[in-house]
Amino acid sequence: EADIYQTPRYLVIGTGKKITLECSQTMGHDKMYWYQQDPGMELHLIHYSYGVNSTEKGDLSSESTVSRIRTEHFPLTLESARPSHTSQYLCASAQGNNSPLHFGNGTRLTVT
Amino acid sequence: SQKIEQNSEALNIQEGKTATLTCNYTNYSPAYLQWYRQDPGRGPVFLLLIRENEKEKRKERLKVTFDTTLKQSLFHITASQPADSATYLCALLNQAGTALIFGKGTTLSVSS
Repeated sequence: EADIYQTPRYLVIGTGKKITLECSQTMGHDKMYWYQQDPGMELHLIHYSYGVNSTEKGDLSSESTVSRIRTEHFPLTLESARPSHTSQYLCASAQGNNSPLHFGNGTRLTVT
Repeated sequence: SQKIEQNSEALNIQEGKTATLTCNYTNYSPAYLQWYRQDPGRGPVFLLLIRENEKEKRKERLKVTFDTTLKQSLFHITASQPADSATYLCALLNQAGTALIFGKGTTLSVSS
């Protein structure tokens, strides 16, 4: 089993609140990713990082932001949550470009 | 832009039969393709990676083929079991070479 952890598993929050989704991995992987997945739909890349102090936006535009201050930690923040942000957020890490992704079990976010 | 199509959203088969799932892609020639398994409420789990110069790859009851002329990969599960019931995703590196993009997946149900 991959050692990548996401918290919380479920989050229900009101519109306008600031939230941070946590993601940590203990494998020393340089590459980390955030994907967004709606039920029955494909994963969409929203952010990625190739190492400390490196972050890039993904293929799907997102109002969220990320930071990578430590190799093992890649949190995602929404400054002001809206109902349109309701989705599952999946964090992943990889050793290299051709390497498989190791996923966490996701955070299911509901914004009311 | 790149597109991944997985042949059907759902596939129902009987225990012991071979399940065959299809992944087609367009507008790109990836160097490799990956297959993942996703269970409800969980993150995807890596199964197999096949490179463009490999025609076939096997792992226990799993077999993957990769036809770069047809732009297609086939994923086979032989002697299927109810425990194989899950959604199977194919993924390939995006054109920018920055991260994997995923198909919507095929949900396999194996009945006993």
